[in-house]
Amino acid sequence: DAGVTQSPTHLIKTRGQHVTLRCSPISGHKSVSWYQQVLGQGPQFIFQYYEKEERGRGNFPDRFSARQFPNYSSELNVNALLLGDSALYLCASSLGQGPYNEQFFGPGTRLTVL
Amino acid sequence: QKEVEQDPGPLSVPEGAIVSLNCTYSNSAFQYFMWYRQYSRKGPELLMYTYSSGNKEDGRFTAQVDKSSKYISLFIRDSQPSDSATYLCAMSAIAGGTSYGKLTFGQGTILTVHP
Repeated sequence: DAGVTQSPTHLIKTRGQHVTLRCSPISGHKSVSWYQQVLGQGPQFIFQYYEKEERGRGNFPDRFSARQFPNYSSELNVNALLLGDSALYLCASSLGQGPYNEQFFGPGTRLTVL
Repeated sequence: QKEVEQDPGPLSVPEGAIVSLNCTYSNSAFQYFMWYRQYSRKGPELLMYTYSSGNKEDGRFTAQVDKSSKYISLFIRDSQPSDSATYLCAMSAIAGGTSYGKLTFGQGTILTVHP
């Protein structure tokens, strides 16, 4: 059974540009969460979506937005990119939204902002 | 002060050694505790998942949670070179609101097991 998939694998953008990252959860999972992992740090929570609704939001600026589609896949959008947005962006899927649901991570999208 | 503190290491041990990895935390609302393994340039892989205090064993891995001390540990027995990776502790709370389902991670400990 396929795990969490993310695209693209790598991405290079320049400051001020916009980026869209995509995630497909494990089949049967209805919740998707997004995390940002800066080199040398643990992942930081950005959003959680469940049944197409935002259920959780971390301490990130409004330049970050996301949505979940009827097939439970998700997109993360980042506007007006800054150098500090360079990171590994991780998507995690789980059966439901509660903390008792194990979260399984995809391989990530490595974003470099020049 | 960070909610979750984890010694970044790096930690280097010989093959066959027992490895002890630890995290401390400050948020008493944390009830679910996880350990993830992350190989270089890959996503984290769930190793252990425990609820509240106690021990859980899975093969060579043992997770311990001491809520009274706000301290969790992961022990790896008979460590192998393939165990070389970054180990991340993560925690979540039952409380709802905008943090519902959120995982809070430690910084990660870099482990190298040399033959």
